[in-house]
Amino acid sequence: DAGVTQSPTHLIKTRGQHVTLRCSPISGHKSVSWYQQVLGQGPQFIFQYYEKEERGRGNFPDRFSARQFPNYSSELNVNALLLGDSALYLCASSIQPMRQGNYGYTFGSGTRLTVV
Amino acid sequence: DAKTTQPTSMDCAEGRAANLPCNHSTISGNEYVYWYRQIHSQGPQYIIHGLKNNETNEMASLIITEDRKSSTLILPHATLRDTAVYYCIVRANSNSGYALNFGKGTSLLVTP
Repeated sequence: DAGVTQSPTHLIKTRGQHVTLRCSPISGHKSVSWYQQVLGQGPQFIFQYYEKEERGRGNFPDRFSARQFPNYSSELNVNALLLGDSALYLCASSIQPMRQGNYGYTFGSGTRLTVV
Repeated sequence: DAKTTQPTSMDCAEGRAANLPCNHSTISGNEYVYWYRQIHSQGPQYIIHGLKNNETNEMASLIITEDRKSSTLILPHATLRDTAVYYCIVRANSNSGYALNFGKGTSLLVTP
């Protein structure tokens, strides 16, 4: 079975541009979360979607947005890119939002975004 | 969610047990302890979780102290492939959101 698939794997953008990152969850998983991981730090929560609705949002500016499609895949959009947006962007999927006692999320390998 | 404290780095010889500590002194009664690890250039991987009882699965064992203020992840026979950053996460029920709050974790180096 395919795991969580993210595309592209690597991306280089210029300051001020926008970027769209894509995530396909594990088949049967209806919840997708996005995390940003800056070099040397742990992942930071950006968004969670479940059944195409936003269920959680981290402390990120409005330049960051996301959506989930009827097939449960998701896109993360970042506008007006800054140098500080350079990071590994991780997508995680689960059957539903991870309630207490459930097994954890399954993460993809991420998209490495470099802003120059 | 309760804050966790982990050592920055640890070493372990291959074949020996790796014991990774985590302090979570402000943990509350409804908060679970989760462990994830992240091997270089990969996404985090779920390892194990628990509330108050010790837990064991095919990857590791989780020992939680009786007062629940600290826990230890045990890899019984560490291999070179266990070299990774290990994250201890304490989180509450869904009313506080569904996010995982990763800290900086413990960088475990398994040596031959």
